[in-house]
Amino acid sequence: KQEVTQIPAALSVPEGENLVLNCSFTDSAIYNLQWFRQDPGKGLTSLLLIQSSQREQTSGRLNASLDKSSGRSTLYIAASQPGDSATYLCAVGANSKLTFGKGITLSVRP
Amino acid sequence: GAVVSQHPSWVICKSGTSVKIECRSLDFQATTMFWYRQFPKQSLMLMATSNEGSKATYEQGVEKDKFLINHASLTLSTLTVTSAHPEDSSFYICSATRTSGRTGEQFFGPGTRLTVL
Repeated sequence: KQEVTQIPAALSVPEGENLVLNCSFTDSAIYNLQWFRQDPGKGLTSLLLIQSSQREQTSGRLNASLDKSSGRSTLYIAASQPGDSATYLCAVGANSKLTFGKGITLSVRP
Repeated sequence: GAVVSQHPSWVICKSGTSVKIECRSLDFQATTMFWYRQFPKQSLMLMATSNEGSKATYEQGVEKDKFLINHASLTLSTLTVTSAHPEDSSFYICSATRTSGRTGEQFFGPGTRLTVL
């Protein structure tokens, strides 16, 4: 059974800092991996999708990497802003399903 | 493109009543739709997967007689919580994918907050 872990559960950083959010998964037989953002009481916004054959994807200040063999993915956020404050969820796709981590709640202090 | 809507966005009901939640793909045809629930401070848990015109596949531990799923068209799936009880209070989120077979990118709706009194 696939398990997805995101540690720490919460993170607080000053504005402008570059930061890395980590995600690990137990079964490397995945098809893709997605990073999502969730604001309080809201649905999910897809940030980046990495197919299993890819190593990384970039969108603006976000960069996500995938190392399938070690069961790890990272989401890099450059020059963080208060508007980046949200919960970031990692989800692993396999067998037509997504398995989610519990998320990392990020707070960017002005 | 790839917008998914849900209705209602929130609902409050009395214990014992049934509640229907709609999930629509607005600008694409969704071969597969998924229903998740999320408790406070917890991750999303997949409840069921539905394909248009066929019966939904429920995850282990999810009561299919309590959570009725209908995927009547390529743009609409509904989740009905029957005889709702306070423990069913949760945030329900649907998603849709354009591709069948392998895991394609899922596009998520804004969620429905259900409160059962």
